[in-house]
Amino acid sequence: RKEVEQDPGPFNVPEGATVAFNCTYSNSASQSFFWYRQDCRKEPKLLMSVYSSGNEDGRFTAQLNRASQYISLLIRDSKLSDSATYLCVVKMTTDSWGKLQFGAGTQVVVTP
Amino acid sequence: DVKVTQSSRYLVKRTGEKVFLECVQDMDHENMFWYRQDPGLGLRLIYFSYDVKMKEKGDIPEGYSVSREKKERFSLILESASTNQTSMYLCASSLDRFNTGELFFGEGSRLTVL
Repeated sequence: RKEVEQDPGPFNVPEGATVAFNCTYSNSASQSFFWYRQDCRKEPKLLMSVYSSGNEDGRFTAQLNRASQYISLLIRDSKLSDSATYLCVVKMTTDSWGKLQFGAGTQVVVTP
Repeated sequence: DVKVTQSSRYLVKRTGEKVFLECVQDMDHENMFWYRQDPGLGLRLIYFSYDVKMKEKGDIPEGYSVSREKKERFSLILESASTNQTSMYLCASSLDRFNTGELFFGEGSRLTVL
């Protein structure tokens, strides 16, 4: 079983709509969580960290559910420029050298 | 802006060749990493370094070695390339050992081994 699992998609979303997707992690000792964005043929870039209380950054909302061991990302009012692959990243321990585990990504395609 | 530069965007090598992938960062980051990215598998850590001349194995170090002689430069070496090392290789850096969640990636080096 993979340590971080994501639905690969694609999630086809009309412009202006809302899309949400989850990421599950297997290690209950995981401490830190992040969403990265990767555009086609580009490098991954940090989108946002995920805090225990949930957090928003503009149209993006991230949630953490420790009991069920998943994090989620919701995109409101989708823009064409939101089309990308979203990578879920989990830091496995509290050790500062805790390894980052990357999911394989969820592809989002926003259509006009 | 942090800049992580990988020397080669595309390489084609033959089985058995020695391959060098170079990575340079310009923000005085302590940590540097090499990942490979394959469809359906996500990014997998090959090696990382938290200081000059220091290196640690990641999840998939077999068939690879690294070198960090200067703080800004981290090299990945494939001693004898094999076809299963055909992949996208991504170099990354992060500020220090207390800030390992935000990685800054280079644009990647796509290696094809024939």
